Amino acid sequence: NAGVTQTPKFQVLKTGQSMTLQCAQDMNHNSMYWYRQDPGMGLRLIYYSASEGTTDKGEVPNGYNVSRLNKREFSLRLESAAPSQTSVYFCASSAALGGNQPQHFGDGTRLSIL
Amino acid sequence: GESVGLHLPTLSVQEGDNSIINCAYSNSASDYFIWYKQESGKGPQFIIDIRSNMDKRQGQRVTVLLNKTVKHLSLQIAATQPGDSAVYFCAEGYYQLIWGAGTKLIIKP
Repeated sequence: NAGVTQTPKFQVLKTGQSMTLQCAQDMNHNSMYWYRQDPGMGLRLIYYSASEGTTDKGEVPNGYNVSRLNKREFSLRLESAAPSQTSVYFCASSAALGGNQPQHFGDGTRLSIL
Repeated sequence: GESVGLHLPTLSVQEGDNSIINCAYSNSASDYFIWYKQESGKGPQFIIDIRSNMDKRQGQRVTVLLNKTVKHLSLQIAATQPGDSAVYFCAEGYYQLIWGAGTKLIIKP
């Protein structure tokens, strides 16, 4: 079972370039999330989508946009990459938003901005 | 602001011994707590969760304890194995998870 699939796994960008990170889940989950993880830190929520057709800001949304393309796919876009956005990006999904609905994670996209 | 933090950044445990990983949280209104395991190069993997109306919950070789009086959460791993080597995160929240910084568990042979 694939679970949550993220592409690409690695990417290097120059400052000012744009890029879209892709995420797809095959668990028929309603809710999806994008996090970033910086070295030695826990994850911080960028954006989330409670269900198809809705998106909301998380803790650190500045510099990012998201699209919930359909129930399976949730993409994260960096319009003008900055070195401060160098991080590992994780996508997650859960059956529903909130409560005891554990989130299932992909293996991340390692993004470096030069 | 609200935060979830861990007492020990690194924990070394002898193989076969029990491991205890601790976590402090500051939001007394927190309703839901969860532990994740993250192996090198992988995404976090769900271990166990607990609601605030409980003080203990057991899984396979793992137990989570919640002490709301002192706002403390712990993860106990019984008979620690080499495969338990990872970074362990506690997180708190209902709609949005707030994550601690993580504790690295090292298993000594």
